[in-house]
Amino acid sequence: GQQVMQIPQYQHVQEGEDFTTYCNSSTTLSNIQWYKQRPGGHPVFLIQLVKSGEVKKQKRLTFQFGEAKKNSSLHITATQTTDVGTYFCAGPQGGSEKLVFGKGTKLTVNP
Amino acid sequence: DVKVTQSSRYLVKRTGEKVFLECVQDMDHENMFWYRQDPGLGLRLIYFSYDVKMKEKGDIPEGYSVSREKKERFSLILESASTNQTSMYLCASSFSGHGYTFGSGTRLTVV
Repeated sequence: GQQVMQIPQYQHVQEGEDFTTYCNSSTTLSNIQWYKQRPGGHPVFLIQLVKSGEVKKQKRLTFQFGEAKKNSSLHITATQTTDVGTYFCAGPQGGSEKLVFGKGTKLTVNP
Repeated sequence: DVKVTQSSRYLVKRTGEKVFLECVQDMDHENMFWYRQDPGLGLRLIYFSYDVKMKEKGDIPEGYSVSREKKERFSLILESASTNQTSMYLCASSFSGHGYTFGSGTRLTVV
């Protein structure tokens, strides 16, 4: 079945360093979504990318969708302690509304 | 703000009990979902509903059933709880083609 892989599984950075997580799908995606889950919390929707090669920014976060619509990345510039959490990518399963989630990248930030 | 409300934050049940997890959303979303989240396994879809009385099995439906009698409410039923169903259960809702809004989750322990 469709798989969504994320690397790395864990990332520990010093505050102020940059961070990147990568997402790869076994199939071409109509869109890709990113979520953030704070420790003890629930996943919160961050963004959806739809177009091939699309790049979107949210303050210090930059999201990119690959040309082949099979991979994506999330880059955080100058991490802060508020960035701590697990970042998930997710893509629709076939043409349905069901999302397949990657296992997430857990980010910790040392102040 | 869209709200997805799960009836219990923490629940402890005995093996063999019938367990009901309730989820209510207030934004008229047509799609509702039940996921379970386990360390190392990520988010796995149990069931999905795209309309009242309509449902589809997800990746791990065994041991679970669902009910959607009203658009705003989606219930997950554990017919006979077992210890391997100890998990965090997350409900989500969405408009078609948009990101999910998750509830705060129910941490279920089966003893």
